[in-house]
Amino acid sequence: GQQLNQSPQSMFIQEGEDVSMNCTSSSIFNTWLWYKQEPGEGPVLLIALYKAGELTSNGRLTAQFGITRKDSFLNISASIPSDVGIYFCAGDSNDYKLSFGAGTTVTVRA
Amino acid sequence: DTGVSQDPRHKITKRGQNVTFRCDPISEHNRLYWYRQTLGQGPEFLTYFQNEAQLEKSRLLSDRFSAERPKGSFSTLEIQRTEQGDSAMYLCASSLRQGVEKLFFGSGTQLSVL
Repeated sequence: GQQLNQSPQSMFIQEGEDVSMNCTSSSIFNTWLWYKQEPGEGPVLLIALYKAGELTSNGRLTAQFGITRKDSFLNISASIPSDVGIYFCAGDSNDYKLSFGAGTTVTVRA
Repeated sequence: DTGVSQDPRHKITKRGQNVTFRCDPISEHNRLYWYRQTLGQGPEFLTYFQNEAQLEKSRLLSDRFSAERPKGSFSTLEIQRTEQGDSAMYLCASSLRQGVEKLFFGSGTQLSVL
């Protein structure tokens, strides 16, 4: 089963807002990754993190690898409508088998 | 680079029937993975090939499931005597070399067992 606890489960965004989500694990991971999945498609990699404490950005996305190696967070700044989707964290401890969180569903607030 | 291709995209079957899915990885990728994703959950690892060798199988992969990659290129995943609990999205991924960040996922096969 899933080893990762991802929160929040869902969130509503208004264009221009900053949003944040996080992931915790009972296990240590060597690599943390963040993916986005849209309906009917496979996950697409957003950011990969390799070292405890590492902070990495990809455009408006910023992610950090927690110093305990058991957690990570993802921030999206100045959100836009195309940011909607499901965001997954994933951890890897042995370089081939990812463990995924249950996802954070991001929806545009009406 | 045409991406990871999976066929069919959707499959509806009756309980007890056998189904087979195909995955064509990105050309020259020697690692191929199968994951299963149920509604509201993240993908779960099923099995992994390096070239034609199947190197690990998850306990999720019951005896009714079998995966092959006969020539180290495309792979098939067969489910025998399907059950309603097998309904899920089956995702294939491939990578060229070591490093999970180099994993590319296909669009998946959505299986519905009636």
